Order: sequence, then structure tokens, then C-alpha cells
Amino acid sequence: EDQVTQSPEALRLQEGESSSLNCSYTVSGLRGLFWYRQDPGKGPEFLFTLYSAGEEKEKERLKATLTKKESFLHITAPKPEDSATYLCAVRGTYKYIFGTGTRLKVLA
Amino acid sequence: SAVISQKPSRDICQRGTSLTIQCQVDSQVTMMFWYRQQPGQSLTLIATANQGSEATYESGFVIDKFPISRPNLTFSTLTVSNMSPEDSSIYLCSVVDPKFSYEQYFGPGTRLTVT
Repeated sequence: EDQVTQSPEALRLQEGESSSLNCSYTVSGLRGLFWYRQDPGKGPEFLFTLYSAGEEKEKERLKATLTKKESFLHITAPKPEDSATYLCAVRGTYKYIFGTGTRLKVLA
Repeated sequence: SAVISQKPSRDICQRGTSLTIQCQVDSQVTMMFWYRQQPGQSLTLIATANQGSEATYESGFVIDKFPISRPNLTFSTLTVSNMSPEDSSIYLCSVVDPKFSYEQYFGPGTRLTVT
């Protein structure tokens, strides 16, 4: 069965304290793995697409990596404005599957 | 990436009434989705709305409760019918243009409260 599991559910970091979020997936016919940022009361904002194992993408303090079984979203020297829920999703042969997200809180 | 708008952004409705949510895209897209997101939860797909065909509903969602229209490649509506407090949620539309990629782009959402 296709599924996506994100960990941890919640993460509190001090400003400048780097860390990683995990997205483990099982899917047949991977068409892409996607990372989104979602602020409270708003729609998800697209961050990255990864298509194949070994691929990496970067944007400001964020870096996403992909293996055959999981993806990591690395946050380097985070700032309070990075506080949000980060969602991972995969596209299989026929449909998209979303994880439940990691709620990140960065303290000043 | 597509720019998506939704109307209304929020509403408070009485039980038993219906609300129609509009989703407008700034470019023509083939695939459009409607999601529901309950407080503190992830996204649940309601239906896929492709222009020129009937919407495809996910398990647990039926057309009588959530009728969808997709009259052209830039517009869709979702109606939440005969509402109950359990329908209180954020409703999101999203689009994909598989000619370019499988990335989904989301609208800002409609926050619905049913009293």
C-alpha cells in the first residue's frame, strides 16, 4: 500500500540550530516527491520537487535530498520566520499521497 | 507556476445550508483537485475535477454532498451541501499541469465554519 510517513510530528529549535525533517515513503511508480511549507490558515506553498534517488535541491536555508525510501529536508541555521508546518507528498502511478506534516517552531 | 485564487476566503454558515466555493486559475490547466483539511490534520482529497468529464470522488465523498463543476480550464466550483458542524474545515483547490510537471500548486484556501 502506498504511504507517506513524516517525522518528527513536531520540532522546536533555537534560532541557528540546524536540523532535519524526515519523509519516508512507499509508492509504486514514483513520479515525484514534493515538499511544501504551510503557514496557519493558508494553502501549502510549493518548495521542491525531487524525482530520483541522489537528487538534491536547495533554496535559502532549506535543502531537500532523496533516497529510494526517504527524503530529508535539512534546515540550516533556521530563523523564527521558518516556523511552519512542512508537508511531504509523493505522486505514484495514479495519485498523490500526503504525509501528516512536521510542525516546526523556531525560537528566537 | 500557476496563481490560484479562491472565493470566499472564509465564511460562517448555519447547518442545513449550502456554500459554493470558487477556484480561479490564471492559466489553463488540465488537472484540478479539491481537498479538505480539518484543524491540525493533513490534506484529504475530496475529488479530482478534469475539464470535460465528471469529477472523480474519493472514498467517503459523494456527489450529492460535494457537487463540483469544471466548466473550463481555468475555473471550478465546489459546493458543500446540507452542511453540518463536521464540515467545518479549510477547503483547498489545487492544480497540476502534467505537460510540465506533476507539481501541485494550491490556492489560499476557504475557511468554513458551520454553526
